[in-house]
Amino acid sequence: EDQVTQSPEALRLQEGESSSLNCSYTVSGLRGLFWYRQDPGKGPEFLFTLYSAGEEKEKERLKATLTKKESFLHITAPKPEDSATYLCAVQAETGFQKLVFGTGTRLLVSP
Amino acid sequence: NAGVTQTPKFQVLKTGQSMTLQCAQDMNHNSMYWYRQDPGMGLRLIYYSASEGTTDKGEVPNGYNVSRLNKREFSLRLESAAPSQTSVYFCASRPAWGAGELFFGEGSRLTVL
Repeated sequence: EDQVTQSPEALRLQEGESSSLNCSYTVSGLRGLFWYRQDPGKGPEFLFTLYSAGEEKEKERLKATLTKKESFLHITAPKPEDSATYLCAVQAETGFQKLVFGTGTRLLVSP
Repeated sequence: NAGVTQTPKFQVLKTGQSMTLQCAQDMNHNSMYWYRQDPGMGLRLIYYSASEGTTDKGEVPNGYNVSRLNKREFSLRLESAAPSQTSVYFCASRPAWGAGELFFGEGSRLTVL
């Protein structure tokens, strides 16, 4: 069964304090790994898709990386507006309609 | 472009009542999805429609029905609501079957008393 585990469950950072969020996955052949940002009361907003081990993508203060077993979302010099829940999801080669989501990491960045 | 629009945003039902959640997308996407989000459970797929005219069960379909009315619209119906269906429901769409990212609506918060 495809599974996604995100850690930590919650993370509190000071503004400017860099850190990483982890997404560990087990899947029978990875078709794609997705990162989303979700603000309270809103729907998830797409950030990145990663397709193969070694791939990296960046957007402003965020950088996503992928290995064969996990993905990291690195946040460099975060700002309070980066506070949100970050969701990771995987899509397997089989049953490829379905994205399996993790439970997310709640990030709070204090000024 | 509005993207994915869900109605209603909030609803309170009594056990046994029925209701339909509406979803429409204006991005000309082929595939549409209904997810529910519960604390500590992550997003779980209820039903999906790979293309107009087709629907399939996801991970948690019991107690729900769906209709792909046309390419734009995908509705979710609760025939006899139960407290276990209290959740936040998200509709999503995707450009192509099995490819690309999902675009989500703002969600519909449903409480069943």
